[in-house]
Amino acid sequence: DADVTQTPRNRITKTGKRIMLECSQTKGHDRMYWYRQDPGLGLRLIYYSFDVKDINKGEISDGYSVSRQAQAKFSLSLESAIPNQTALYFCATSGPGQENGYTFGSGTRLTVV
Amino acid sequence: SQELEQSPQSLIVQEGKNLTINCTSSKTLYGLYWYKQKYGEGLIFLMMLQKGGEEKSHEKITAKLDEKKQQSSLHITASQPSHAGIYLCGADKDSGGSNYKLTFGKGTLLTVNP
Repeated sequence: DADVTQTPRNRITKTGKRIMLECSQTKGHDRMYWYRQDPGLGLRLIYYSFDVKDINKGEISDGYSVSRQAQAKFSLSLESAIPNQTALYFCATSGPGQENGYTFGSGTRLTVV
Repeated sequence: SQELEQSPQSLIVQEGKNLTINCTSSKTLYGLYWYKQKYGEGLIFLMMLQKGGEEKSHEKITAKLDEKKQQSSLHITASQPSHAGIYLCGADKDSGGSNYKLTFGKGTLLTVNP
């Protein structure tokens, strides 16, 4: 099993729909993150959580919300999807021992039509 | 906030050639991560450099951190088609230590022609 699992892998949804992207990790780490990737813009941080009770906005949180259901689970919601939220979304986790880096999921490709 | 600029934005090389990708920070670099991404896929951690002058290697990929230049370079020797992808640099430290939030450069797209 992958260390960080994202579901779904691909999703097409209509403008105005609510959608949830899910992420679970088996690393046992406290810190979890949601990023989005757009061509030419790199990865930008949407939300991050340093433990179950600690959730923080990143640089581009408008239009998104998150829920940290457990240490291992961190979901991202788009309350009312719009076309400019079409992007590749990544979940990541990090823990002690930064020399091992942050571990990323395989991504969810979201298309809003 | 710290900004990371990568150069070049894209690079096409012939198989077997050497190449270098640079990552320059707007602030002092206290550490730097390098990742590789195959198109549309997840990020693979390559290495982390923690202090000035440090150099690490991963197979045919070598990265160095030059604190004075606020820059890191990633060098690939004898490139192969398997090296193709997007290379991303990231940082999460300032003078106070890690903020545990990884900020990325915009990436360098590498194409290796057989």
